[in-house]
Amino acid sequence: EPEVTQTPSHQVTQMGQEVILRCVPISNHLYFYWYRQILGQKVEFLVSFYNNEISEKSEIFDDQFSVERPDGSNFTLKIRSTKLEDSAMYFCASSGTGGGATNEKLFFGSGTQLSVL
Amino acid sequence: GNSVTQMEGPVTLSEEAFLTINCTYTATGYPSLFWYVQYPGEGLQLLLKATKADDKGSNKGFEATYRKETTSFHLEKGSVQVSDSAVYFCALRVDTGGFKTIFGAGTRLFVKA
Repeated sequence: EPEVTQTPSHQVTQMGQEVILRCVPISNHLYFYWYRQILGQKVEFLVSFYNNEISEKSEIFDDQFSVERPDGSNFTLKIRSTKLEDSAMYFCASSGTGGGATNEKLFFGSGTQLSVL
Repeated sequence: GNSVTQMEGPVTLSEEAFLTINCTYTATGYPSLFWYVQYPGEGLQLLLKATKADDKGSNKGFEATYRKETTSFHLEKGSVQVSDSAVYFCALRVDTGGFKTIFGAGTRLFVKA
């Protein structure tokens, strides 16, 4: 079965540094997402992306965050100046080849564990 | 707003025991409801879903019924196995045009042999 891949699996960075988390969604999917999970807490929505633009974003997704689909296969999340509270597991997901119910099922990657020191 | 509340874990059961994990939701509009499962070291995977009231989603022996009157979507399995040990997430989606799925906090299940 096709899968979403994320790299790296672990990322350690210093506070204030920029990080880029990378994802390769399933090839014929049209909708892309980033979620994060702080240890022991709920899976939080960050942003959804469709047709080369952000569809919706949460309050967490402030000016320090950005997403990009630089080519036909990659989907990246950039954090410009990391804070301690950005430490979390970041999940990429993709869905759907069309509208309505076909894009409801999310396919998740295995996540990138980001540790900000 | 839209939100999901599920029972806190961990839940520890013996093999072949009956499982219930409670989930309730609040939503504007008519949500689709989901259960996702996360095995150690992996991403979340869709376990089952229901898209309208009174629908029953089922997969791998797990079931959940969309109850609009009680705004609930409880997950059940009649006889759990050690391999069911995982974290289970209840989720909802209301189509507001932003394609956002909202997850609960997750419930960790341990099944002992």
